Amino acid sequence: SAVISQKPSRDICQRGTSLTIQCQVDSQVTMMFWYRQQPGQSLTLIATANQGSEATYESGFVIDKFPISRPNLTFSTLTVSNMSPEDSSIYLCSVPRGGETQYFGPGTRLLVL
Amino acid sequence: GENVEQHPSTLSVQEGDSAVIKCTYSDSASNYFPWYKQELGKRPQLIIDIRSNVGEKKDQRIAVTLNKTAKHFSLHITETQPEDSAVYFCAARKGGSYIPTFGRGTSLIVHP
Repeated sequence: SAVISQKPSRDICQRGTSLTIQCQVDSQVTMMFWYRQQPGQSLTLIATANQGSEATYESGFVIDKFPISRPNLTFSTLTVSNMSPEDSSIYLCSVPRGGETQYFGPGTRLLVL
Repeated sequence: GENVEQHPSTLSVQEGDSAVIKCTYSDSASNYFPWYKQELGKRPQLIIDIRSNVGEKKDQRIAVTLNKTAKHFSLHITETQPEDSAVYFCAARKGGSYIPTFGRGTSLIVHP
């Protein structure tokens, strides 16, 4: 199985600021995904990070709020911009595993005050 | 798009009892159904999955059943233990896609 790490593991931020979350995979993968898990809620896909092209965003998520970079096949970043308390969530990156399901990183726990 | 409903939202059982979590899906093109377990403060982890050409799959105390006609699938945990306490998510995914649609989750509490 791929090994996925995320930085930071948690952070407390002030409203109006931005936070960039990093996701590193120990093997090359074509697709990386970013999910949001609000407190007590399910997993919602934010976007698919494509290497060499712009990310593909799901309905309700926009590039200005969640810019994504994918500079190579093992790394991606998600920025949460101009944060508000409603952005307090766990942010998870994931990669396909075995051509089938999703394998998740450990998550970044964000609290916005 | 796909819609996955999951019930119950909370399930409380005594140690040793069985637990059943049920999901329904809307898109008949879905052909892969994974189940994830998320312990408190940890990442979701795949515990079992089933494909549409199979009606049932078992792995020790865990089993999953699929009824394609009714678009239902269920997770069965026998002889529950306190370490089974977690949030369980079902999901459904169409062929050719890496992206599943998740249910809302079931919080399972196993009382010693």
